[in-house]
Amino acid sequence: QSALTQPPSASGSPGQSVTISCTGISGDVGVYNYVSWYQQHPGKAPKLIIYDNTKRPSGVPDRFSASKSGNTASLTVSGLQAEDETDYYCASYIATNNWVSWVFGGGTRLTVL
Amino acid sequence: QVHLVESGGGVVQPGGSLRLSCAASAFNFAGHGMHWVRQAPGKGLDWVGLIRYDGTETYYGDSVRGRFTISRDNSRNTLFLQMNGLGVDDTAVYYCTKYDGTLRAFDIWGKGTLVTVSS
Repeated sequence: QSALTQPPSASGSPGQSVTISCTGISGDVGVYNYVSWYQQHPGKAPKLIIYDNTKRPSGVPDRFSASKSGNTASLTVSGLQAEDETDYYCASYIATNNWVSWVFGGGTRLTVL
Repeated sequence: QVHLVESGGGVVQPGGSLRLSCAASAFNFAGHGMHWVRQAPGKGLDWVGLIRYDGTETYYGDSVRGRFTISRDNSRNTLFLQMNGLGVDDTAVYYCTKYDGTLRAFDIWGKGTLVTVSS
């Protein structure tokens, strides 16, 4: 299965907003509404920050928001803070005829300037 | 507190085998599907495979299918990953992660265990 496509890097100044895209093919991001987003600090396990395309788990700041349109999902980080500087991954579920799998995006390194 | 703790990583020669374990605590392990995800050094996340909550079905990523086997022992709240025919490209941190069917996402992750395939 092909990975979802994310930009390798993104950046913004403190207080600004930045959006990270996640583009897939019909059959994953486009058809199934199961896109989730994960934040991963160096040397740490990934942390769920968005599920079901747009929803935030409890404890995740509302500075993190997400949307999905067609075969592209997007994560927006508003009011950038230094602690937001790290890696972000999207993931989606794929179901074909008799197979089930998940696929991750290649990851985006967010830099706070 | 919900916990997943992986173990069994280490150094193995190409062509060798290794079995990873993942001990779960503080949640209904038998009620959730479980996945393995790996991350090669400096690279992104790579989905390895999943096992249904009751162990009746497993699915694998293209790069490991036929070589890796996922199993579970719900009586011991433990998930396993049997890895055979290891190659240098399998060098990675291996994470076990709990799939939440309501969230439709991986909501709990272990800290990972490092597998190094090297001669």
